Amino acid sequence: DAGITQSPRHKVTETGTPVTLRCHQTENHRYMYWYRQDPGHGLRLIHYSYGVKDTDKGEVSDGYSVSRSKTEDFLLTLESATSSQTSVYFCAISEGGTNQPQHFGDGTRLSIL
Amino acid sequence: GENVEQHPSTLSVQEGDSAVIKCTYSDSASNYFPWYKQELGKGPQLIIDIRSNVGEKKDQRIAVTLNKTAKHFSLHITETQPEDSAVYFCAVPYKLSFGAGTTVTVRA
Repeated sequence: DAGITQSPRHKVTETGTPVTLRCHQTENHRYMYWYRQDPGHGLRLIHYSYGVKDTDKGEVSDGYSVSRSKTEDFLLTLESATSSQTSVYFCAISEGGTNQPQHFGDGTRLSIL
Repeated sequence: GENVEQHPSTLSVQEGDSAVIKCTYSDSASNYFPWYKQELGKGPQLIIDIRSNVGEKKDQRIAVTLNKTAKHFSLHITETQPEDSAVYFCAVPYKLSFGAGTTVTVRA
């Protein structure tokens, strides 16, 4: 399995609080992605990174920000969590861009009450 | 992102039978098409992929076919086994999009 670690694996928090999820990789891959998974929607891209300090928005980026200060870490932040952001969040990495397979972490289950 | 249509959303098959899942896409510039399998509590795992210069690729009981003209690609699982029960996703990475998933149940 690709060396991807997501933390925390589970989190419960309250509306209005900030939340940061971490993705750590040991593969030295250039590309990193954050997705959310909700029933009936499959995987939807939140943000992705194509290098250190290089990020771009995905399909559902509103309410989320990201940072990548080093190759191995990609952080996803919910500045002020809302109940609609309750979801399972997956990080993925790929060696190249859109013509290469992605490898996924095991997800973070986030509940916002 | 691109609208990737995946059908069916659920599929129940008898052990030993075949399963077929189909995905359609709209951007003709797409040229790489992977399939992922997701087991409960885990992240999706790549099981097979195909590039646009071939029409079919096989790996043991799993195959993927691609029709670039019609803009669809399909996952075929033959001789299904209980361990094939999972959620399967197609993807169109060129558009950073995934299908909504197919829940496959193999009945013993």
